[in-house]
Amino acid sequence: GQQVMQIPQYQHVQEGEDFTTYCNSSTTLSNIQWYKQRPGGHPVFLIQLVKSGEVKKQKRLTFQFGEAKKNSSLHITATQTTDVGTYFCAGLPGNTGKLIFGQGTTLQVKP
Amino acid sequence: NAGVTQTPKFQVLKTGQSMTLQCAQDMNHEYMSWYRQDPGMGLRLIHYSVGAGITDQGEVPNGYNVSRSTTEDFPLRLLSAAPSQTSVYFCASSTGTTSNIQYFGAGTRLSVL
Repeated sequence: GQQVMQIPQYQHVQEGEDFTTYCNSSTTLSNIQWYKQRPGGHPVFLIQLVKSGEVKKQKRLTFQFGEAKKNSSLHITATQTTDVGTYFCAGLPGNTGKLIFGQGTTLQVKP
Repeated sequence: NAGVTQTPKFQVLKTGQSMTLQCAQDMNHEYMSWYRQDPGMGLRLIHYSVGAGITDQGEVPNGYNVSRSTTEDFPLRLLSAAPSQTSVYFCASSTGTTSNIQYFGAGTRLSVL
């Protein structure tokens, strides 16, 4: 079936270091979304990418959508302790309205 | 607006018991979904609904029933709970298929003993 793979599963960084998580889909996606879940909380929508090769920025966060619309990445520059949480990508395949979530990357930041 | 409201927040069941997880949204969203979250597995779709009276199965529907009699409510029923259903359950609503951005409730943490 359709899958969205996300790596790494866990990442521990020192505060101030950069962080990147990657998503790869087995099929072409209509769009890809990113969510953040704080410890003990629920996923919260961050951003949606729709166009091939699209790049969007939110302060220290940079989101990219691949040219083939099968992969995406989230890069955080100079991590802070407030960045702690699990980041999920979620892809919307072109032939269905069902979002498929990646497994998530849990980020720990040491102060 | 309260957004998406889930009750209860926590529940402990014995194997074989039944229960209903409640979900309500006040954003007039057509789409509603139920996900379960297990360590290392991400969010897996259980059932979803594209409008009142319409439901469909997701990735992991076995052991769960749903119905959608109103736009606002989308309850999830466990008919005979099993330890494998120990998980965190999230309900979400969205506006539709063109973007399908999910607005999640706070979740229900369920343990089945």
